[in-house]
Amino acid sequence: EAGVTQFPSHSVIEKGQTVTLRCDPISGHDNLYWYRRVMGKEIKFLLHFVKESKQDESGMPNNRFLAERTGGTYSTLKVQPAELEDSGVYFCASSLEPTGGEQYFGPGTRLTVT
Amino acid sequence: LAKTTQPISMDSYEGQEVNITCSHNNIATNDYITWYQQFPSQGPRFIIQGYKTKVTNEVASLFIPADRKSSTLSLPRVSLSDTAVYYCLVGDRGSTLGRLYFGRGTQLTVWP
Repeated sequence: EAGVTQFPSHSVIEKGQTVTLRCDPISGHDNLYWYRRVMGKEIKFLLHFVKESKQDESGMPNNRFLAERTGGTYSTLKVQPAELEDSGVYFCASSLEPTGGEQYFGPGTRLTVT
Repeated sequence: LAKTTQPISMDSYEGQEVNITCSHNNIATNDYITWYQQFPSQGPRFIIQGYKTKVTNEVASLFIPADRKSSTLSLPRVSLSDTAVYYCLVGDRGSTLGRLYFGRGTQLTVWP
């Protein structure tokens, strides 16, 4: 069974540019989560999809971040325009149930904004 | 939300048993205790989850005393490949809000 995949693995962009991160969850997992770790800080929750609906987006830092999950399959996280403080590693996770327990994480996308 | 406290780092040698203790004094009745492991350049990976007493799987054991204010992750006979960051998380498994709260974790380094 394929795990959670994320693309790209690494992205380097200039301040003010736009970047789109993609996450493919494990097939059949209705719950999809985005997290990020900014340098030197803890992994922080961004938002939670149940199928195509946003269940909880309270962790989104500001309106420069837009997450979508059309059709309830893969998800994208767009940052527009990117700022220096957006640099970090963005993780996606999926789970069968929103148990707050076992989530399956992808390898992450390292975003560097210069 | 129950805050967790765990050591920043630990060192061990191959073949030894490692015990990582996590404090969660404000744990709520509905909260479960979950441990994740993270290797460099990878996402966190679920290790074990428990509510009380002892849970064991093929990777680790989790000991939770009766008052549930702390828990101990036990890794038997560690190897170099067990070098990783270990996170203790506490959360309501019955909640529809599935977000996980990660702390700083414990960096375990296993030496030959």
